Amino acid sequence: KAGVTQTPRYLIKTRGQQVTLSCSPISGHRSVSWYQQTPGQGLQFLFEYFSETQRNKGNFPGRFSGRQFSNSRSEMNVSTLELGDSALYLCASSLEQGSSTEAFFGQGTRLTVV
Amino acid sequence: AQSVTQLGSHVSVSEGALVLLRCNYSSSVPPYLFWYVQYPNQGLQLLLKYTTGATLVKGINGFEAEFKKSETSFHLTKPSAHMSDAAEYFCAVYGNNRLAFGKGNQVVVIP
Repeated sequence: KAGVTQTPRYLIKTRGQQVTLSCSPISGHRSVSWYQQTPGQGLQFLFEYFSETQRNKGNFPGRFSGRQFSNSRSEMNVSTLELGDSALYLCASSLEQGSSTEAFFGQGTRLTVV
Repeated sequence: AQSVTQLGSHVSVSEGALVLLRCNYSSSVPPYLFWYVQYPNQGLQLLLKYTTGATLVKGINGFEAEFKKSETSFHLTKPSAHMSDAAEYFCAVYGNNRLAFGKGNQVVVIP
């Protein structure tokens, strides 16, 4: 069974640009969550999607957005990039939303903003 | 809101010695608790989880954790450290449809 796949693995962007990250969950999983990991702030919840609907959102500015497609694949977008957006972005998939079922994480996308 | 606290960002342990990583939680409802491990340039891998039932939880790679409600703790242990245990470890609590993570413990294993 394939795991969670995130693309690309590494990305370098310039301040002011926008970026789109992709996440393919485990087959059959309908919930996809996104987390930002930085040395200073640690792991912070961005948002969660279930059945193409955003169910939860963390405390991030509107520049951070996402969506989920009918096949459960998800994308997150960051517009007007800032240096502080440099981070490892992790995607996690779960069978269900709103439960204690295990979240399976992808390897992440390392975004560097210069 | 649920939260967890991990103290001591870096933990050094000798090979063969006990690994002990502390986690205390804050939750207004019975918590669902997790320990994850992260190797360099990798995502998070679940070590073990506590939802309900037995308070001593066994996980992968010889790790275990004990849920103690009276102490609001969920400490992670491994009797004998191996070089391959060098990684970063995160405690997390599930609530409000999200995982809230601690700051993590970077474990260094000394030969």
